[in-house]
Amino acid sequence: AQSVTQLGSHVSVSEGALVLLRCNYSSSVPPYLFWYVQYPNQGLQLLLKYTSAATLVKGINGFEAEFKKSETSFHLTKPSAHMSDAAEYFCAVSVASGTYKYIFGTGTRLKVLA
Amino acid sequence: DTAVSQTPKYLVTQMGNDKSIKCEQNLGHDTMYWYKQDSKKFLKIMFSYNNKELIINETVPNRFSPKSPDKAHLNLHINSLELGDSAVYFCASSPPDDRRSEAFFGQGTRLTVV
Repeated sequence: AQSVTQLGSHVSVSEGALVLLRCNYSSSVPPYLFWYVQYPNQGLQLLLKYTSAATLVKGINGFEAEFKKSETSFHLTKPSAHMSDAAEYFCAVSVASGTYKYIFGTGTRLKVLA
Repeated sequence: DTAVSQTPKYLVTQMGNDKSIKCEQNLGHDTMYWYKQDSKKFLKIMFSYNNKELIINETVPNRFSPKSPDKAHLNLHINSLELGDSAVYFCASSPPDDRRSEAFFGQGTRLTVV
């Protein structure tokens, strides 16, 4: 069965510091992976996705993620955190199931300290 | 124009009542979903419809009944509401037959059962 695991339910960084949010996947077939962001009281917004075209994926708001097959990882990074980055971040994998569905990790809450 | 819209945004009701949440998407997608987000932010798929046909039912109690009058709408009716049904319910849609595509989410409906 395909799944994703997010390490660290809470991450705190100082404004201007590197953001690193971890996601590892488990899949018997080539995975398609996604990072979503959820701001308070809002829905989920796509940050970026990996669809096998390139291992380094750039997304919105300065985020990027690198697919590493050898490490079964798809970690999300941003060189310099802004206060506005404070939110909940979800890693997800799409799974064929009749049609297909999205399996989400447990989420990582990012806190940015002034 | 909002791509995926849900109504209402907030719903407070008493135990034992019946309530409905409506969802509409204007993206022309064939596939629609209902997800439940619990108090710990965990997102779990409940149902998936493809072109009005139920594809996925993730062992959800039969008090929950989705209905898709056409492929742009997927409503969720809940009978005999229980305290444990309190959560945020998200509607989402995605293009058909393409696991590489992301899901587009509505803003969520926060259901509180008292």
